[in-house]
Amino acid sequence: QVQLVESGGGVVQPGRSLRLSCAASGFTFSSYGMHWVRQAPGKGLEWAAVISSDGSIKYYGDSVKGRFTISRDNSKNTLYLQMNSLRAEDTAVYYCAKDRADPSPGCDMWGQGTMVTVSS
Amino acid sequence: SYELTQPPSVSVSPGQTARITCSGDALPKKYAYWYQHKPGQAPVVVIYKDSERPSGIPERFSGSSSGTTVTLTISGVQAEDEAEYYCQSADTSGTYVVFGGGTKLTVL
Repeated sequence: QVQLVESGGGVVQPGRSLRLSCAASGFTFSSYGMHWVRQAPGKGLEWAAVISSDGSIKYYGDSVKGRFTISRDNSKNTLYLQMNSLRAEDTAVYYCAKDRADPSPGCDMWGQGTMVTVSS
Repeated sequence: SYELTQPPSVSVSPGQTARITCSGDALPKKYAYWYQHKPGQAPVVVIYKDSERPSGIPERFSGSSSGTTVTLTISGVQAEDEAEYYCQSADTSGTYVVFGGGTKLTVL
């Protein structure tokens, strides 16, 4: 079955960096775009970034643009999110999600999420 | 930046019909998706492409679209449907993905 497993979360000081990973299985990873979506404590879902199936196209939400980088390794069926210059407001559960490949972006499978806490 | 607007909360009694709306200027041109999110769990897509229901989602979940508003309808609401529901779409360029603020469905 389709499975997405995030890892790499933890506690990090403001201004530092962290890299999240998302291991995919149960589908042809290289055929689908992938998203990172986050949820801050007590807040709603916020889209962070998307990457095309071959990794050539990337888009970012305004709050992470210029600080976060989405990437993928199709040989390892793994999605990444490099987070630099972290701020307290980046504290959230980070989910990876598989895109449905419809004409509009939309997700059909999500991981369980990994918690990132930015605190001194 | 592009925004989708949902009501913060909807309350219904078991067996009644719940309707959750989502408004956005680009919705006539871009599909909407609806996700059910329960605490501590991964979100689950309940409607895709405005009105399509994934396999495994109960028939009581349906979606519709009219102009700049899409609607998630849950007929015969059950206690297990209590959750946060989010609409999601994209701006007209398709490069900016956005979620609505979420609607807390309470089953009385």
